[in-house]
Amino acid sequence: SQQGEEDPQALSIQEGENATMNCSYKTSINNLQWYRQNSGRGLVHLILIRSNEREKHSGRLRVTLDTSKKSSSLLITASRAADTASYFCATVSGSARQLTFGSGTQLTVLP
Amino acid sequence: DTEVTQTPKHLVMGMTNKKSLKCEQHMGHRAMYWYKQKAKKPPELMFVYSYEKLSINESVPSRFSPECPNSSLLNLHLHALQPEDSALYLCASSTHSGSESDTQYFGPGTRLTVL
Repeated sequence: SQQGEEDPQALSIQEGENATMNCSYKTSINNLQWYRQNSGRGLVHLILIRSNEREKHSGRLRVTLDTSKKSSSLLITASRAADTASYFCATVSGSARQLTFGSGTQLTVLP
Repeated sequence: DTEVTQTPKHLVMGMTNKKSLKCEQHMGHRAMYWYKQKAKKPPELMFVYSYEKLSINESVPSRFSPECPNSSLLNLHLHALQPEDSALYLCASSTHSGSESDTQYFGPGTRLTVL
């Protein structure tokens, strides 16, 4: 079942601009992850943020987590055409550490 | 080797056929997963294997039958599928040994079409 919603559902920006995607979730979590999926392909792990962390950086990626609001955001700075993809947040919970994905944001970066 | 491989890449089958999807990883991961993904939707978990034992079955119909012959291989046997089962089937693996190991590595998927 889907964990929560992401917004926007679709985002179109120019190369060089920043892209921000938001994710809301419903249950308590161990950590939250962001994945990227190029069209019709497998998912690639981008970044993981633990439930006791508020912000994390990796290259051009910045992730925030607000557990009181059950929300997270992914910021991609200085976007490139190659960043065009679907982006999913995923929460980890349960003894089997299942991933439950959000609804996803389709990002298009125009050259 | 940080790759998860899946075969075949594409599969077209009739509703009376029996086919299998295969997934392989050589990262020493002990947890493996099958997901189903419909177009423009997020992946949905189907099965989880932990140490070669089925630990989660998300109420998947019996026409899907998973098998984990060893720690590197995961199969999904398909029989008497319906057209609505057409989707991208993704395999993933993770170390399943601690908080840092929750990252899952995904294969490229098998695009299944049921006629």
